[in-house]
Amino acid sequence: DVKVTQSSRYLVKRTGEKVFLECVQDMDHENMFWYRQDPGLGLRLIYFSYDVKMKEKGDIPEGYSVSREKKERFSLILESASTNQTSMYLCASSLGQGNSPLHFGNGTRLTVT
Amino acid sequence: GNSVTQMEGPVTLSEEAFLTINCTYTATGYPSLFWYVQYPGEGLQLLLKATKADDKGSNKGFEATYRKETTSFHLEKGSVQVSDSAVYFCALSTSGTYKYIFGTGTRLKVLA
Repeated sequence: DVKVTQSSRYLVKRTGEKVFLECVQDMDHENMFWYRQDPGLGLRLIYFSYDVKMKEKGDIPEGYSVSREKKERFSLILESASTNQTSMYLCASSLGQGNSPLHFGNGTRLTVT
Repeated sequence: GNSVTQMEGPVTLSEEAFLTINCTYTATGYPSLFWYVQYPGEGLQLLLKATKADDKGSNKGFEATYRKETTSFHLEKGSVQVSDSAVYFCALSTSGTYKYIFGTGTRLKVLA
């Protein structure tokens, strides 16, 4: 089974801090994704990556950046955390394009105070 | 653009009741369709999928049939259990892209 591991289940950060969310997958998937999940809004794509060092903006990239230096690891960076970035963050990976399902980590619940 | 619409929740059922969660979609081309389930405090897990018209996906007693004529992919289960209480997401993706479109989720609560 594919395992997608997010480094933290819960994080509490202060406004203005730089925040790193880490994600590792163990199945050699080309594609990795970062979503945020908010009540009533469903899942919204922040960034995705289809190869090492490649990244593409999703629907809500503002205030975020990403890094993919190794195939198995995809990091989400909040350059200067704000309270409106309090959310559940979900990392996912997939193989190929389109027809392959996403495999999700357990999520990181981030609170910015 | 592509979109997924699923029924609003919450849905509350008694144990052993029949479950239907409606999902309809709008897409160009021939999307693949998915149902994911999210248990409390966890990420999403793939429940089932279908990649072409008339395919039936099934898993753990859940079923959904890809209906191109009605652009639907309704989730059904004949007899729900308390352990099925979760949030269910319908999603689609199209070949040649990396984009997955999710519905807003339907919360299911099953009472003993």
